[in-house]
Amino acid sequence: DIQMTQSPSSVSASVGDRVTITCRASQGISSWLAWYQQKPGKAPKLLIYAASSLQSGVPSRFSGSGSGTDFTLTISSLQPEDFATYYCQQANSFPLTFGQGTRLEIK
Amino acid sequence: EVQLVESGGGLVKPGGSLRLSCAASGFTFSSYSMNWVRQAPGKGLEWVSSISSSSSYIYYADSVKGRFTISRDNAKNSLYLQMNSLRAEDTAVYYCARDKISGSYYFDYWGQGTLVTVSS
Repeated sequence: DIQMTQSPSSVSASVGDRVTITCRASQGISSWLAWYQQKPGKAPKLLIYAASSLQSGVPSRFSGSGSGTDFTLTISSLQPEDFATYYCQQANSFPLTFGQGTRLEIK
Repeated sequence: EVQLVESGGGLVKPGGSLRLSCAASGFTFSSYSMNWVRQAPGKGLEWVSSISSSSSYIYYADSVKGRFTISRDNAKNSLYLQMNSLRAEDTAVYYCARDKISGSYYFDYWGQGTLVTVSS
């Protein structure tokens, strides 16, 4: 199974800050990676797919990069609505696996 | 508008069974692979099972293999998850989710989730 490890597990930041979250795969997954945002009590929302493609309707302050084993999600200028938990997910092979999540909190 | 609505969750005793349903609308259901993802209380996301558009390909997480069965009825625009031999560790919110592109296994639409609680 491919293990996905996110770092940090939590981060505190202020509105307007630039934030980067990292996701590392235990083996190469090419660009088969997605990022999701989840707010409490809500279903996850797809932000980025294929490592760097922005899902329709997602603000351009979100961006993704990487390939192989190392990936990043960057939020260029945090907005109040961005405080949530973020998950990466590999779609390279079954079983599909998620990272453990990164909680983004208000400083 | 794409909509996914899960139902069938509830309280069940260990060893019991439950059948979850997901009613889909707003898109051509028969053209998309579908998935179940769960989230235990206070925990992260866990993929459970996937089924291709024509049911030709089916995949399960090891944690549910042999106990859960995914199926779909394209005529009824519905996805199902039959859960048998339930354990306490199966307690979770279960989401159905659509593939963004059939076979991509990126999940672009999710239901609101249905809570399954396994407890005596």
